[in-house]
This record gives sequence, structure tokens and C-alpha cells, in this order.
Amino acid sequence: DAGVIQSPRHEVTEMGQEVTLRCKPISGHDYLFWYRQTMMRGLELLIYFNNNVPIDDSGMPEDRFSAKMPNASFSTLKIQPSEPRDSAVYFCASSLREGQEKFFGPGTRLTVL
Amino acid sequence: GENVEQHPSTLSVQEGDSAVIKCTYSDSASNYFPWYKQELGKGPQLIIDIRSNVGEKKDQRIAVTLNKTAKHFSLHITETQPEDSAVYFCAAISDRGSTLGRLYFGRGTQLTVWP
Repeated sequence: DAGVIQSPRHEVTEMGQEVTLRCKPISGHDYLFWYRQTMMRGLELLIYFNNNVPIDDSGMPEDRFSAKMPNASFSTLKIQPSEPRDSAVYFCASSLREGQEKFFGPGTRLTVL
Repeated sequence: GENVEQHPSTLSVQEGDSAVIKCTYSDSASNYFPWYKQELGKGPQLIIDIRSNVGEKKDQRIAVTLNKTAKHFSLHITETQPEDSAVYFCAAISDRGSTLGRLYFGRGTQLTVWP
């Protein structure tokens, strides 16, 4: 298996633009997680899905953030409109079952100018 | 919710020496404690984990200990090598109740191993 795949790896955009981050989890994994990593706040869980259904989105910072999982092999995290403070590395992770090992993707480094 | 504290934030050791990173947690319901290694430009990777029914686990040069009573767990790396240099994260999770699914991370420890 190729592991968790994220795209793009790097994104530079201007304030106010819409940003869409993409994730393909490991095949067969029932759980998908979106994390944000910054120097100030460390690793934060934004939202996670179980069998394509959002379970906990309490970590989503604002209404500008939204996440979808239309099928078992694809998820998106959208920021609209983006702001400079959204600059961070965004990780997608998946796991086979809850309480099991989470496999992280390589991350998307987002820079909002 | 769970609160995971990790110390130290930075750690420098000479090659061949041991390194110890310590974490505490607050939620007695937490029962799974993974440790992740993050190399520059990459996502975190699981290196070892321990469940609350075990007090110690070892895998070659790395080991993890868990004290449920004191709510703390530690990562031990022996015979460190330069390639051990990375950021290490501890985490805690409960697979029961309302926190199901939420993995709580420590703030990370930047380990540098000098040759």
C-alpha cells in the first residue's frame, strides 16, 4: 500500500482565496483524521470521520473550515476564505479501527500571504 | 478532556548515550499510549505503543514504561544514533466514552544526537 496520500504537498495562496486540501486514506481503513500542526499549538485534531461520517468536528476552528468525505477513499479539507493565520502543516491520518495505530500522510504545507 | 504534558521540549545527547522523554496525562480513562517520531518534512510515524494493561514494552533500542497510578509514561532510547534525531510526540487516547477517537498529543521533544 502507498500509505496515506495527500495533495498538494505545498500550497501558497493569497488571503481571501479558497484552499482545498486532499487526502486518500489507506485502503480498508475506517477512520480518517485531519490534523493541523503549528509551532504555537502543536498537533491539533480538526475533525475525524468513521465510515465516511463526521464524528467529531469540535476542533474545526471556524466556519471558514469545512471537511467532507464523499467516499471511503477520498476526503477534502476546505478553507474559504483563507487567512494568514491558517498557515500551517495539515496532516491527514487514517486507522483501521479506533484505538489502533494512526498512519499519517506526508502533510500539506499551507502558506497564506 | 485529556491533557498531555511532555518534557523536555528539547534534548541533546551524545551518540551512544541514552535519551529519556517523559509524559503525563490527566484522564484516567486513557488506555492507549503511542509514541510518534517526526522527521523533518514528514508526517509523524508510530515507533512504539503501550496499552494500560502493560507496564513496559521494549523494541530493540526503544522502550516505553507506563505508570497508571501516577498517570505518566516515558520513552527510553538506548545507544542513540544520529538518525534518532527527530521530534518525538507522546499521545494518549481513550477508546471509551465521549472522547472516543480523539488522540491527544504532547507538544513534542526535539531530540538531537551529536556524533
